[in-house]
Parts: sequence; structure tokens; C-alpha cells
Amino acid sequence: GAGVSQTPSNKVTEKGKYVELRCDPISGHTALYWYRQSLGQGPEFLIYFQGTGAADDSGLPNDRFFAVRPEGSVSTLKIQRTERGDSAVYLCASSELAGVYNEQFFGPGTRLTVL
Amino acid sequence: GQQLNQSPQSMFIQEGEDVSMNCTSSSIFNTWLWYKQDPGEGPVLLIALYKAGELTSNGRLTAQFGITRKDSFLNISASIPSDVGIYFCAGQGRNQFYFGTGTSLTVIP
Repeated sequence: GAGVSQTPSNKVTEKGKYVELRCDPISGHTALYWYRQSLGQGPEFLIYFQGTGAADDSGLPNDRFFAVRPEGSVSTLKIQRTERGDSAVYLCASSELAGVYNEQFFGPGTRLTVL
Repeated sequence: GQQLNQSPQSMFIQEGEDVSMNCTSSSIFNTWLWYKQDPGEGPVLLIALYKAGELTSNGRLTAQFGITRKDSFLNISASIPSDVGIYFCAGQGRNQFYFGTGTSLTVIP
């Protein structure tokens, strides 16, 4: 089925390196969300896109984190100068439209490990 | 970010038993959601609640939106082995969802 896909499924990197995580939303979904899930915790909101623009990036923890969605479809989450504390599962979700009545469909996540 | 408090943290039950878990928040939410997450997968929506006091069922699942809008509970009746997983509540803020800490459910056949 054409669900939300995320690549890579696993990423191991060294402290200080740059990483990019990719999300392919469900075709036609205009809203896209990034979450971070640490071990034993629930997902934590990072950023939300409506089309190409970041409508709410209040969850990004600091300026090492950045996300883009240049054509309103695929999104890339970029992390500079990675730190061990960045290790987590990064989840992407999309919905047809933004707002309460639109179900978010989650991808399987990218497990990032920073050594 | 804001985290919702879920209890219990984990549950071990016999197949066929009923399960109840709840979620509380210090903030008011206008929407409450319940998700299930299997290992290596993203959360999947089970039930959405949009109105204070609302009681909604989805098969063996029943959830309620608390009158104060600061809490919600989820019941699972007649549990089966495939109910195993982690259950998360979520409350909606303006553009984002705040997730609970999760309840891990183990069903013993």
C-alpha cells in the first residue's frame, strides 16, 4: 500500500556528523509532521508543514535541526553536528489536510544512533 | 514539550480479561486521541474524541473524553494476543499533538 515511507530505516553516525532523514508522505497529503521518539517515551512534536511552508517549527530543539519540504511532498529533516542525545526514532506523519478532523498517518520511523 | 501522564505504565493480563488505562494532563485539550504502536512501526490511530464527555467505541475499544477536558480513558474488552503493544494517548494543541508516556500491554494466552 502507499503509506508513509521513511528512509533510511536505521542510521548510525558519529558525533559531530551531519545527517539527513527523508519522509515520503501519502500522495496528496498536504500536511506533514515530524516527531522524535526517545526510548520509553511518546512521540514529541518537532515541526509541521502545510504545503511547502513550515507552519509551526516550535518543537525543533535548537538550530542544529532544520527541515524542508521544497515541493510540498517529500520532506527532509536535517541535523547538523549530531550529538549523542540526538539518538532516537524520528517519525514522520502526514494528513490530507491540517486540523483536528484529519487523521495523521505515521511512517515506520528512522532509528538514529549517534556514537 | 508537554507530556501527558499515562497510567499504568505497563500491564500484564490474561487473554480474555478487560483492560483499562487512563491519561491526564495539566492543560485542557479540545481533542483526545488514542494510538497503538507495535515494535518498529509508527503509531496507528484507534479512537478520536472531539467533545467533552464523549464516549466512543470502536469494536472492543471504548474511550471517553473527560468532562474537565484534562483526561481520557481507554478500555479494551475481552483482550486477545494481538492487543499486545504500547498504547499512547494524545491531546491536540494548536498545530501539534502532545503524546502521553505510553502504557505497555502484554496479553498472556
